[in-house]
Amino acid sequence: EAGVAQSPRYKIIEKRQSVAFWCNPISGHATLYWYQQILGQGPKLLIQFQNNGVVDDSQLPKDRFSAERLKGVDSTLKIQPAKLEDSAVYLCASSTPDRLAKNIQYFGAGTRLSVL
Amino acid sequence: GQQLNQSPQSMFIQEGEDVSMNCTSSSIFNTWLWYKQDPGEGPVLLIALYKAGELTSNGRLTAQFGITRKDSFLNISASIPSDVGIYFCAGYAGNNRKLIWGLGTSLAVNP
Repeated sequence: EAGVAQSPRYKIIEKRQSVAFWCNPISGHATLYWYQQILGQGPKLLIQFQNNGVVDDSQLPKDRFSAERLKGVDSTLKIQPAKLEDSAVYLCASSTPDRLAKNIQYFGAGTRLSVL
Repeated sequence: GQQLNQSPQSMFIQEGEDVSMNCTSSSIFNTWLWYKQDPGEGPVLLIALYKAGELTSNGRLTAQFGITRKDSFLNISASIPSDVGIYFCAGYAGNNRKLIWGLGTSLAVNP
């Protein structure tokens, strides 16, 4: 079974530029998560999708961050314009709520963003 | 937001030694998860716990769901160099469907 795919793996941009990250979850997983992980910290949830609907975006800085999952499968996360403090690893995870899987989240390798 | 208290923050041990780390919360949890994150990679699930008192092993790793439902520990026996990484505890509290994370325990193993 293929895991969660993310691209690109690395991105370097200057502040005020725009950037987009892509995620393809595990096949059949209805729930998709975007996390921000700053060096030395645990992952922080930015947004959670159930199919193509948003379940939780309470910690998403909506003035500059946006995310979509139009067809309920893959998803993009965009930052526009980027700030220095956005430098972090952006992780995508997916899960399925069925009884056996118990909502365990499986993570991609992440995109490491450096804002200069 | 809510956060788990994970300790120790870092450990430096000799190959072959046993390791123990733990996680505590002020709230009751109904699921405890232990993940390992290697440099440049995403977290990988090691062990999942669903019932108070549950003790689960995965090779040299053993984790327990505390009886009070407010804590969990992870033990690694006979550590090897590839155990190096950051170990995170995470869990679901009550009816909250947001996964709560600890700050991680960084493990270094001296061969």
